[in-house]
Amino acid sequence: EPEVTQTPSHQVTQMGQEVILRCVPISNHLYFYWYRQILGQKVEFLVSFYNNEISEKSEIFDDQFSVERPDGSNFTLKIRSTKLEDSAMYFCASNGEPETQYFGPGTRLLVL
Amino acid sequence: DAKTTQPPSMDCAEGRAANLPCNHSTISGNEYVYWYRQIHSQGPQYIIHGLKNNETNEMASLIITEDRKSSTLILPHATLRDTAVYYCIVRVASNFGNEKLTFGTGTRLTIIP
Repeated sequence: EPEVTQTPSHQVTQMGQEVILRCVPISNHLYFYWYRQILGQKVEFLVSFYNNEISEKSEIFDDQFSVERPDGSNFTLKIRSTKLEDSAMYFCASNGEPETQYFGPGTRLLVL
Repeated sequence: DAKTTQPPSMDCAEGRAANLPCNHSTISGNEYVYWYRQIHSQGPQYIIHGLKNNETNEMASLIITEDRKSSTLILPHATLRDTAVYYCIVRVASNFGNEKLTFGTGTRLTIIP
């Protein structure tokens, strides 16, 4: 069964460093998302992406965040200068038609 | 998206049916009811969704009331692996296919051996 994959599973970084989280969505899907979940809190929407551009972004998704689909398979989330409060689980999701979103296993980011 | 209300926690005996309720009294006619679950800190897992009619798949059944203001997710024979947080989410059916999911706090279901 097709699934969304994410790498790395864990990332530890120093505050101020750049990180890139990678996702491989399900191959025939067209719509891509990033969500995050701070420990003990709700899953929060960050951004949606379609046709090589951002469709919607939340207030969390400020200038420090960017997304890219560099090739036909990968979908990345970059955080330019990480802060302590960026520590969270980051989930990638994708959907085709119909609209059911499927989530990846997540990347646990720890900013020290 | 309409808001949903779920009990914060429930217990269910292993082998029994788990019935998880959800209220969505402000749901609009073009909004689906989706159910996801999250086991520990894993990625949310899609379970089932419906618009008006009751739905069943290999994982669960979804019962939606006639007025669509509430629904119940049924896990017919709960196992220990069904211990998770279950989210009921109302989401508009978009022509563009890229509507975000808005998660609440869900119901923490614990299956008791």
